[in-house]
Amino acid sequence: SYELTQPPSVSVSPGQTASITCSGDKLEDKYVCWYQQKPGQSPVLVIYQDTKRPSGIPERFSGSNSGNTATLTISGTQAMDEADYYCQAWDSSTVVFGGGTKLTVL
Amino acid sequence: QLQLQESGPGLVKPSETLSLACTVSGGSISSSSYYWGWIRQPPGKGLEWIGSIYYSGSTYYNPSLKSRVTISGDTPKNQFSLKLSSVTAADTAVYYCARDGTAAGQGFDYWGQGTLVTVSS
Repeated sequence: SYELTQPPSVSVSPGQTASITCSGDKLEDKYVCWYQQKPGQSPVLVIYQDTKRPSGIPERFSGSNSGNTATLTISGTQAMDEADYYCQAWDSSTVVFGGGTKLTVL
Repeated sequence: QLQLQESGPGLVKPSETLSLACTVSGGSISSSSYYWGWIRQPPGKGLEWIGSIYYSGSTYYNPSLKSRVTISGDTPKNQFSLKLSSVTAADTAVYYCARDGTAAGQGFDYWGQGTLVTVSS
């Protein structure tokens, strides 16, 4: 079965750029989505089709996908961005989530 | 504004069947533009896709759960449902229903608030 691998945790200072990676075999051949989940809340879609932002998502969130790695980048990270982030892709009509990355803003 | 609301028992006994419904308001599950899915999250762990249903009734399941899962739709009630049989403590999780676009890579753009289901005797 297809697997997506994320680092368990990433730390960033306020105002700096955070990068969260998601790795999978030939991932560039698939579309990747990213979700933000804060404690006690449902996930929120922040990036779809590798690079697009849904309405209402701040411009500081961006995505890329090349080779075997997709990356979620948060520019000018704010304290409110502290959350768990999950990547997601489709493989053979199944949905696959990465294991999640806890972003700490300190 | 689209809203999804999960409902069902919060406590299920081991070996029994977990049954949940997702009621959709502000949109129709009969739309050809979307899939409707179930995702779960064990306490303190990550997201796991359970399966999805299309308006035509076509279903897609996580291979690891396929033998125990049934997802069905009820168009008049604008609901879709999840049944997970032979549950164990490992099935204890927050269960979410969500909408997924049919265009490639659209993602789950609307989620329910989630409902905690505990498997315990």
